[in-house]
This record gives sequence, C-alpha cells and structure tokens, in this order.
Amino acid sequence: DAKTTQPTSMDCAEGRAANLPCNHSTISGNEYVYWYRQIHSQGPQYIIHGLKNNETNEMASLIITEDRKSSTLILPHATLRDTAVYYCIVRVDYRSGAGSYQLTFGKGTKLSVIP
Amino acid sequence: DGGITQSPKYLFRKEGQNVTLSCEQNLNHDAMYWYRQDPGQGLRLIYYSQIVNDFQKGDIAEGYSVSREKKESFPLTVTSAQKNPTAFYLCASATGGEQYFGPGTRLTVT
Repeated sequence: DAKTTQPTSMDCAEGRAANLPCNHSTISGNEYVYWYRQIHSQGPQYIIHGLKNNETNEMASLIITEDRKSSTLILPHATLRDTAVYYCIVRVDYRSGAGSYQLTFGKGTKLSVIP
Repeated sequence: DGGITQSPKYLFRKEGQNVTLSCEQNLNHDAMYWYRQDPGQGLRLIYYSQIVNDFQKGDIAEGYSVSREKKESFPLTVTSAQKNPTAFYLCASATGGEQYFGPGTRLTVT
C-alpha cells in the first residue's frame, strides 16, 4: 500500500489560505489521492480527490505534482470552522466495482485556524 | 434527508457482553464499511461489504462480526473476544469515488 506523510500540526490565520502538504512517494500510477477532514468527535467529511490533474471544488483545491509523489490541499480562505484534522489518503482498489476500494487513514494534520 | 445513521451515539457495556452497533443508510449505496478509531489515531478498517450477503475482513476484524442481509443495513457486533473494545466506531457507505461517513458511536466497555 502507498503510504502518506503529513505534518502533525499546522496553524493558519483566519481569512488566509491554508496549504496542507502530503508526501506519497510510493504511489502507483492508478492510485488516487483523497483528502478528508474530521472535526472532533464527528465522522470524516470528504473534501476532494484526484489522480493526475489539479482539481478544484467548492471546498478546496488539490495540487498534485507532476511526478505524483506529493500533493497540497489548499483551503483558499480559512475560517474557524475549518479547524479539524485533515487526512491525505491514497486509495487502494481491491477489486472492480463501485465502492470496492479501501481508504487507509493515517494520523493526519491537525489544522488550527487562528482568529 | 439522505444519509447514514448510527445509533446510539454513546454506548456503555460491561466486559464480557456482546454488543451490536447499528448502521443504516438510505443513499442506495452498494458498499458499506466499518472503521474503528482510537484517541489521537487514524481510522482502521474492521469489515467491508460490497454487496448484500457478502462481506470481507479488513485490517482488524478479530473479535468483530457483521451481517449484510439488506442493502440499507450493516450492523457490527463487538464480541467478548475483542480485547480492547472501547473506541469510536464509524460506519461509511460508498457508491463510487467518495465514502460517506455516519456520525459514529462511542463505545465504552468497563
């Protein structure tokens, strides 16, 4: 399984962009990079995922390097509600079919948004 | 509202008792998952099911059992064989690229 490495914690000023890095140097060519976040004592929330190209949605942007060995999640204007643990995950498909994959969650990055 | 329901939110049991955690989804998703989370740790996969009447062990299945008799339901039983059952349990479902998580059940065994 491809493993990910993330900083344990980061701070970000409210209103500024939060850039969360992730290393996944052993990722295979067909493995996706996923980002989830978990607010204390709640279930994880899906943010975004990508394979090779950069992706953007209403929550965040995902920048994947050309060699795919690292990626950065960008929250463009962080708010206090973005304080959470952010997980970078490489998806491993165990068989074909919808939903037939495993997400391995590491310890993530604890992002604290400071007023 | 569509979503995943886990009940109860908090559950207390005595050591040696089996306990069943409920997970229901009305998203019409084929795949369902059970994870366990310990304090300060990430999630670890217990069991998963891709279709009704089929399920597979995850990374830490020992001491747990599941059933998938209906598409909407994927209950998890924590048996007395599980040595450290106190944890936060999360259920998820998926139909494609995303897993949707329930609110979790915090189980305390004393």
